[in-house]
Amino acid sequence: DAGVIQSPRHEVTEMGQEVTLRCKPISGHNSLFWYRQTMMRGLELLIYFNNNVPIDDSGMPEDRFSAKMPNASFSTLKIQPSEPRDSAVYFCASSLTDGYTFGSGTRLTVV
Amino acid sequence: GNSVTQMEGPVTLSEEAFLTINCTYTATGYPSLFWYVQYPGEGLQLLLKATKADDKGSNKGFEATYRKETTSFHLEKGSVQVSDSAVYFCALSDQDTDKLIFGTGTRLQVFP
Repeated sequence: DAGVIQSPRHEVTEMGQEVTLRCKPISGHNSLFWYRQTMMRGLELLIYFNNNVPIDDSGMPEDRFSAKMPNASFSTLKIQPSEPRDSAVYFCASSLTDGYTFGSGTRLTVV
Repeated sequence: GNSVTQMEGPVTLSEEAFLTINCTYTATGYPSLFWYVQYPGEGLQLLLKATKADDKGSNKGFEATYRKETTSFHLEKGSVQVSDSAVYFCALSDQDTDKLIFGTGTRLQVFP
């Protein structure tokens, strides 16, 4: 099993541009989570899906952020327009029962 | 609501020293408890877990015991190595939502 796969590993973009982060969960896992990690705020849960349905998006910081899960093997997190304060490492994780498996993250830098 | 409190870091130790990282929790019901480790530049990896009171999780020389009476899940290792340098996160599972509630993380630095 290749684990949770995220792409890209690194993204540098200019303020105002649209950014799309991608995640492929582990096959058979039915829950998917998007986290953001910064030095100031630590790990923040942005949104999570169960069986491809968004269950809780209360952590999404504002309307510039959106997430989709069109099928069980793919999810995207989109930021439009991006701002410098969105710079962080974004992690995707998937789970079936107890405990999560995390991807390696996408380091986003907005300049 | 459910929450996890970890000791603040960084924890700085010499190689072969004994390690304890404290973790306490607040939760309704009987959550599962976890320790995750994050090495530099990587995602979080599950280190160990315990699913009920008095269970002991162990892996790679690390141990933690689920103590319901003290609502604690302290991480211990008898002899740390330089390669153990990382950030350690304590977490509990919210039984109603399947969400993991993470602590703020504790950075461990081990010097030769």
